[in-house]
Amino acid sequence: DTEVTQTPKHLVMGMTNKKSLKCEQHMGHRAMYWYKQKAKKPPELMFVYSYEKLSINESVPSRFSPECPNSSLLNLHLHALQPEDSALYLCASSQRTEDQPQHFGDGTRLSIL
Amino acid sequence: GQNIDQPTEMTATEGAIVQINCTYQTSGFNGLFWYQQHAGEAPTFLSYNVLDGLEEKGRFSSFLSRSKGYSYLLLKELQMKDSASYLCALNAGNNRKLIWGLGTSLAVNP
Repeated sequence: DTEVTQTPKHLVMGMTNKKSLKCEQHMGHRAMYWYKQKAKKPPELMFVYSYEKLSINESVPSRFSPECPNSSLLNLHLHALQPEDSALYLCASSQRTEDQPQHFGDGTRLSIL
Repeated sequence: GQNIDQPTEMTATEGAIVQINCTYQTSGFNGLFWYQQHAGEAPTFLSYNVLDGLEEKGRFSSFLSRSKGYSYLLLKELQMKDSASYLCALNAGNNRKLIWGLGTSLAVNP
């Protein structure tokens, strides 16, 4: 069990669907992250939120849209995804400074048909 | 820029000791993380080294030499459950963005 909760655990969607991934943490962390991970590769950073503000966007296509409604929640809205977007999507959080370890959720395994 | 290098795969025997190396090149350095990731699961935090030297946590230890751009993770009394990917990640001070190595896949055999 992790202290970062992600839902759903698995998601299959067509290329025309709209869906959202959700992430929640109650550790009081003020930095939250979205990563994409392909098999046998390290996590690839997508977005960083710091104090509910987007601080890093790693040139992610606009079909991925992040949202941070409050300090405990992080969403990733998906629209018109491509088959190559199939991957494990990991949410992570850390305390205020970059010297604190990131705690990861179990991820959402996404398959695009 | 930054660059991190670690071996792709390693094999060891149950009960033995294994050392996983990580070398890096960076202009800025705040610290180096080690994470463990079992197949299909999320990465879990193992250690964070800021200063030179060895830090021990039970069966796992991590070493850092900032002058050499070098770190290693030492796993003692290996168990089958230690079979996993081990990722080193560099905190270069870029606003919480970590630079990840490609990971070392460790197989522990009986």
